[in-house]
Amino acid sequence: EPEVTQTPSHQVTQMGQEVILRCVPISNHLYFYWYRQILGQKVEFLVSFYNNEISEKSEIFDDQFSVERPDGSNFTLKIRSTKLEDSAMYFCASSEIGGFLSGGSGDTQYFGPGTRLTVL
Amino acid sequence: AQSVTQLDSQVPVFEEAPVELRCNYSSSVSVYLFWYVQYPNQGLQLLLKYLSGSTLVESINGFEAEFNKSQTSFHLRKPSVHISDTAEYFCAVTRSGGYNKLIFGAGTRLAVHP
Repeated sequence: EPEVTQTPSHQVTQMGQEVILRCVPISNHLYFYWYRQILGQKVEFLVSFYNNEISEKSEIFDDQFSVERPDGSNFTLKIRSTKLEDSAMYFCASSEIGGFLSGGSGDTQYFGPGTRLTVL
Repeated sequence: AQSVTQLDSQVPVFEEAPVELRCNYSSSVSVYLFWYVQYPNQGLQLLLKYLSGSTLVESINGFEAEFNKSQTSFHLRKPSVHISDTAEYFCAVTRSGGYNKLIFGAGTRLAVHP
């Protein structure tokens, strides 16, 4: 069964450094998402992306964050200057085009295993 | 805007006992509802979903959830749990229509004891 994959599984960085978290969505999916989960807190939406553009972003997704689809398979989240409070598990998700009314499952997001980011 | 409340942060239960994990949502528009499961040190896996139609939806591993519009609830149930069901369970809501952000509840940690 196709899966969303994420690398690395764990990233440790120093405050102020740039990090890039990588995701490979399911191959026929065209909608991509990033969420994060700070330890002990809810999973929070960061951003959605379609057709090389941000579709929606949350208040958390400020100028320190950016997303990119650099090629046909990867989807990345960049944090330009990490802060201690960026420490969290970051999840990538993807969904296909076409909702259930048209026989697709675009209504459903499939998640990767996550990248644990630790900012020291 | 949508919101989700999972009423129990932890639910301890003995193996083979029934369990119910409660989820209530709030929304001014029609919604889709999901349950995701997170096993220890793993990502979020879709357990089941309600999009339309029958209000009772089932998963392949024996869980079921019932969408109750009047109560704005989507409780998750299993008649007999196994040790392997030990995990964190997240209820999530999204505005219907697809491609919208998921709003998650705080999660319920199900601990199944022998």
